[in-house]
Amino acid sequence: DTAVSQTPKYLVTQMGNDKSIKCEQNLGHDTMYWYKQDSKKFLKIMFSYNNKELIINETVPNRFSPKSPDKAHLNLHINSLELGDSAVYFCASSQGGLSYNEQFFGPGTRLTVL
Amino acid sequence: AQRVTQPEKLLSVFKGAPVELKCNYSYSGSPELFWYVQYSRQRLQLLLRHISRESIKGFTADLNKGETSFHLKKPFAQEEDSAMYYCVRAAGNKLTFGGGTRVLVKP
Repeated sequence: DTAVSQTPKYLVTQMGNDKSIKCEQNLGHDTMYWYKQDSKKFLKIMFSYNNKELIINETVPNRFSPKSPDKAHLNLHINSLELGDSAVYFCASSQGGLSYNEQFFGPGTRLTVL
Repeated sequence: AQRVTQPEKLLSVFKGAPVELKCNYSYSGSPELFWYVQYSRQRLQLLLRHISRESIKGFTADLNKGETSFHLKKPFAQEEDSAMYYCVRAAGNKLTFGGGTRVLVKP
């Protein structure tokens, strides 16, 4: 089944903990993204990687560190979790290039920080 | 900075009635605009793009550069149209999302 997958689907943790969310795509895309959707459903780009290289970094706190071991995977590690990090995090992928290519989204990971 | 504004957070219409979702963008050259949709328990997905000028699932959207708008319309809403709709602007592969409009189509 070709798609963008994320694990875990739900993540509940205490403030101050460190956690990771994993993303994998088997669409053969070169570019992957992380988005954050807040409680008001507002979606905002966080990071983008193209062929394992960081190309977009949208003023995200440095507690957030993306890691791309290969172009099919983009993981998101979050240190010292804060209450405000509670959100749904979406991974997406697309073909690379300078112009727009349709982005395919994962199912999302709902992170709750207590 | 690019901005995309969707003034309506919720639109509630009856089945068969027309529905129009408003979207305005901050002016900057030739924008690339899209509508993405998220149905209940499904992934966010592309609905339509302005350059294709096509109708998808009965929806159309016209880019009006004079008004910097890209409103989404459907003449006869169906219950399966109930979803969250996002107006999106692209700069290369960087997407800027509007705040989203939830559409509820009542029977």
